[in-house]
Amino acid sequence: SQQGEEDPQALSIQEGENATMNCSYKTSINNLQWYRQNSGRGLVHLILIRSNEREKHSGRLRVTLDTSKKSSSLLITASRAADTASYFCATDEVRGFQKLVFGTGTRLLVSP
Amino acid sequence: EAGVTQFPSHSVIEKGQTVTLRCDPISGHDNLYWYRRVMGKEIKFLLHFVKESKQDESGMPNNRFLAERTGGTYSTLKVQPAELEDSGVYFCASSHRTTAFEQYFGPGTRLTVT
Repeated sequence: SQQGEEDPQALSIQEGENATMNCSYKTSINNLQWYRQNSGRGLVHLILIRSNEREKHSGRLRVTLDTSKKSSSLLITASRAADTASYFCATDEVRGFQKLVFGTGTRLLVSP
Repeated sequence: EAGVTQFPSHSVIEKGQTVTLRCDPISGHDNLYWYRRVMGKEIKFLLHFVKESKQDESGMPNNRFLAERTGGTYSTLKVQPAELEDSGVYFCASSHRTTAFEQYFGPGTRLTVT
């Protein structure tokens, strides 16, 4: 079953603005992670939030998790042109034997 | 510490040909995973090795795909014969045995089948 659907699919903002991306999933999870992929490059791990956590911060990143709604959000504050990339959430299901389930991602464009 | 490396970075082959992708995980990581992203869709799991053993290969699309991890170090993913729909980016990831969900990804191999 598909899960980890991101919303919006694409987001265009100006430098200095905040960017919020949302992710929904369908099954019970152990953890939820956010990854970034710059054009033509690999996936970079950004932040992990466990199922018993509700909010986590890392630098300009803020992640929230609502397990009752099976959703998560990633907030990037004071965005920079270098934040331009695709962002993916990935979940590892309770019965998923450690594999990650990704969504289709959000393409973020930050203009100078 | 070196990250996950993949080779080649880009491969262009004709339909019906064979291609072998290689992944070198982070040293000491028992877990090795293959994923792929086809046609801009979501990144999908292919299979999972624990050392040299296949733990989960439920994501392998068909028997044209063969993955190996002899000796529990690097892994290869062979596509034979390649079809047009195999085009995409193939990612490899590895993780430590105690924190399997914290997976570190390589840069990917972009496969183009013409």
